[in-house]
Amino acid sequence: AQSVAQPEDQVNVAEGNPLTVKCTYSVSGNPYLFWYVQYPNRGLQFLLKYITGDNLVKGSYGFEAEFNKSQTSFHLKKPSALVSDSALYFCAVRDLPGGSYIPTFGRGTSLIVHP
Amino acid sequence: NAGVTQTPKFQVLKTGQSMTLQCAQDMNHEYMSWYRQDPGMGLRLIHYSVGAGITDQGEVPNGYNVSRSTTEDFPLRLLSAAPSQTSVYFCASRQGSTGELFFGEGSRLTVL
Repeated sequence: AQSVAQPEDQVNVAEGNPLTVKCTYSVSGNPYLFWYVQYPNRGLQFLLKYITGDNLVKGSYGFEAEFNKSQTSFHLKKPSALVSDSALYFCAVRDLPGGSYIPTFGRGTSLIVHP
Repeated sequence: NAGVTQTPKFQVLKTGQSMTLQCAQDMNHEYMSWYRQDPGMGLRLIHYSVGAGITDQGEVPNGYNVSRSTTEDFPLRLLSAAPSQTSVYFCASRQGSTGELFFGEGSRLTVL
């Protein structure tokens, strides 16, 4: 079985400060991990993914995420937050190989960046 | 390249009415899916398809039907709308087993 948790419903950060949005997962095999962002009244947009290889993954808009197998985490980070980063962020996981064809999404974390 | 296109963007129905939410993608993706998004509930999978002629149920399939006659189209049908189906609906597609999902812009449905 696969599952994902986003322990924070909301994260507040000041513009210019580093930000972290947390994600932990549970899988039987090896995880495929994804981050998506949703701006108000829009569909979800892909930010980055981890399949295999380097544990630090770089994605769109200056975001990056670190895969930590021992802590089963895949936290989303950005060195310097922008007001325009304010949005809803979703972590998703698939259990591969041979696992589910369907990703499991977290409940989402609302990121608010204050000017 | 249009990506995933959903219509309509907004719809108001009365209880008991039927309607179809349309989803089309022009990326030749085999996998397509429908989600509903409700406050505090995240995304919940309704139905999905791994190719033309193949569909399966997700987490919350009751009250919804789907079909997949072509690779491009994956319509979602509400046969008898209920207020509990008031939600925002998203269609998403993916190429291959490791790819990310491409989402449409959503269809906001209100059932009175």
